[in-house]
Amino acid sequence: SQKIEQNSEALNIQEGKTATLTCNYTNYSPAYLQWYRQDPGRGPVFLLLIRENEKEKRKERLKVTFDTTLKQSLFHITASQPADSATYLCALFHISGSSNTGKLIFGQGTTLQVKP
Amino acid sequence: EPEVTQTPSHQVTQMGQEVILRCVPISNHLYFYWYRQILGQKVEFLVSFYNNEISEKSEIFDDQFSVERPDGSNFTLKIRSTKLEDSAMYFCASSEGQGSNTGELFFGEGSRLTVL
Repeated sequence: SQKIEQNSEALNIQEGKTATLTCNYTNYSPAYLQWYRQDPGRGPVFLLLIRENEKEKRKERLKVTFDTTLKQSLFHITASQPADSATYLCALFHISGSSNTGKLIFGQGTTLQVKP
Repeated sequence: EPEVTQTPSHQVTQMGQEVILRCVPISNHLYFYWYRQILGQKVEFLVSFYNNEISEKSEIFDDQFSVERPDGSNFTLKIRSTKLEDSAMYFCASSEGQGSNTGELFFGEGSRLTVL
């Protein structure tokens, strides 16, 4: 069966350090891998997208890597701040059908706590 | 900045009652989705909608659920006869989808449904 696995244990780091979150998947051939941020009681917010033929993507303090051989993505936040504390969701988008439709499937998320 | 809006933010209902959750997607978006998140669990795909019809639905989306786009702006989720296990946060999302559909989803803030 298809699975997306993220570390369910919370990640606690000190302000200024780099946070690294892991996403592993099985039995998928996603066209795109995405990372979202979710704050308590709020909807997910899109952060970054990486295509299957890309190895790395950067946006400000965020970096995502995508290894389709290992079926793994790493999500890095450099110079972390307390405001980065949230749950980070890995998601895979698989296109199906002739209308270019598809669906986004989420992992369970990893909660990051950045301490001042 | 354009956003997805959802109403109501919270609805409490009795088991067996019908519920309609409403969403206004971003105006130029072509793909629409409903997701749900049971407290403490992951965000789960329910249904995708494109060109005025359902593109894909999950096993959760059984005959008790239906979706509709009654006019050019609203997108609704109806649960005909609510069960206790339908208690969850329901998120509406939309994506632009022009050209290549990358699946970058814009989520609303959710409607919390409590079934008593």
